[in-house]
Amino acid sequence: AQTVTQSQPEMSVQEAETVTLSCTYDTSESDYYLFWYKQPPSRQMILVIRQEAYKQQNATENRFSVNFQKAAKSFSLKISDSQLGDAAMYFCAYAGAGSYQLTFGKGTKLSVIP
Amino acid sequence: DTAVSQTPKYLVTQMGNDKSIKCEQNLGHDTMYWYKQDSKKFLKIMFSYNNKELIINETVPNRFSPKSPDKAHLNLHINSLELGDSAVYFCASSFNYNEQFFGPGTRLTVL
Repeated sequence: AQTVTQSQPEMSVQEAETVTLSCTYDTSESDYYLFWYKQPPSRQMILVIRQEAYKQQNATENRFSVNFQKAAKSFSLKISDSQLGDAAMYFCAYAGAGSYQLTFGKGTKLSVIP
Repeated sequence: DTAVSQTPKYLVTQMGNDKSIKCEQNLGHDTMYWYKQDSKKFLKIMFSYNNKELIINETVPNRFSPKSPDKAHLNLHINSLELGDSAVYFCASSFNYNEQFFGPGTRLTVL
């Protein structure tokens, strides 16, 4: 069974600074998808970024980028120029190709300090 | 305009009651899901339907029964509610194996 591990229960960052959230996963599959979801206090789950395992290029969405290391099974999220609105729980998630099942990590609570 | 909607957003009820949560998506997706988020924020899939067919049925008490009348709707019925059922329940939808879009969640409190 696939597992997703987020080793940082809580992180904090100064406004305008950069922060990196860690995620590792365990799988025997070669083709899969990885996601980062954000859950602000409103509790809405918002997709931040998505990475296909077969793509070597790291995904980027504005201030959000990932460092995908397939051999190390690592998928970290970098948030640049942090804003107060980035404060939220961040969940890393895994889905095998051809699978509807999304496996989540336990989340990292990010605080942004003004 | 809402992509995935759930009703109600809050549900407070007594132990032993039966309740339902409704979910609707207007994205034209063919797959819908129910997740449970516990008090420690851990998200776990409960059920998934693809084109009205049950495809994921995790180890969930049989007091929980999903029903999909059509591709755009997936409801969750819970019988004989227990204290441990208190959680936030999320509905989500996707097109095939692509990313899942989540509803706003329903906070269920069992007293």
